[in-house]
Amino acid sequence: DGGITQSPKYLFRKEGQNVTLSCEQNLNHDAMYWYRQDPGQGLRLIYYSQIVNDFQKGDIAEGYSVSREKKESFPLTVTSAQKNPTAFYLCASSMLGAGTGANVLTFGAGSRLTVL
Amino acid sequence: SQKIEQNSEALNIQEGKTATLTCNYTNYSPAYLQWYRQDPGRGPVFLLLIRENEKEKRKERLKVTFDTTLKQSLFHITASQPADSATYLCAPVSGSARQLTFGSGTQLTVLP
Repeated sequence: DGGITQSPKYLFRKEGQNVTLSCEQNLNHDAMYWYRQDPGQGLRLIYYSQIVNDFQKGDIAEGYSVSREKKESFPLTVTSAQKNPTAFYLCASSMLGAGTGANVLTFGAGSRLTVL
Repeated sequence: SQKIEQNSEALNIQEGKTATLTCNYTNYSPAYLQWYRQDPGRGPVFLLLIRENEKEKRKERLKVTFDTTLKQSLFHITASQPADSATYLCAPVSGSARQLTFGSGTQLTVLP
């Protein structure tokens, strides 16, 4: 079955540590996205990528980094510079090239990061 | 700045009734508007997309309207069931947009 796989489902981190969240899709989608969701709030865009080796900052990119070395993969690193990293992180992908406006997103199951 | 507002944070209705959720936007000229469903601890799932030249779109018990004059979309679930309980997110999308911005969502609870 095609879909998006995020791992790990749950992750605990000590302050000052970097952590990397994995996102893999086998949908042959061009665009991939990372969103952050805090309790009772909507989704906020961290980074997105339309093609391999290219990505753009979203609304809350500070303290995060990404790479897009393969079409299928878009890992997110939460660095120690992110002041409040505890949140639910969602990866998504879309078939159409970003910019058409009709992009329908397929989401992964999410990764919950807790900073101890 | 662009703003998306979804009606009251939580909406409780009785089973069998019609649920109506509101999505208002400002400083947008969306060519499309999407609706998603999110269950607790899960990623959102796409439900419906409506284009600016469509007044109404239906899918089974779901109906979406799009009024570009009022800058509003209404999302209806008819004959609601407890299984419809979830958070519903709207995302107005400009034609040139390279990414989606979501509203904060409306948490719907259908009471048996």
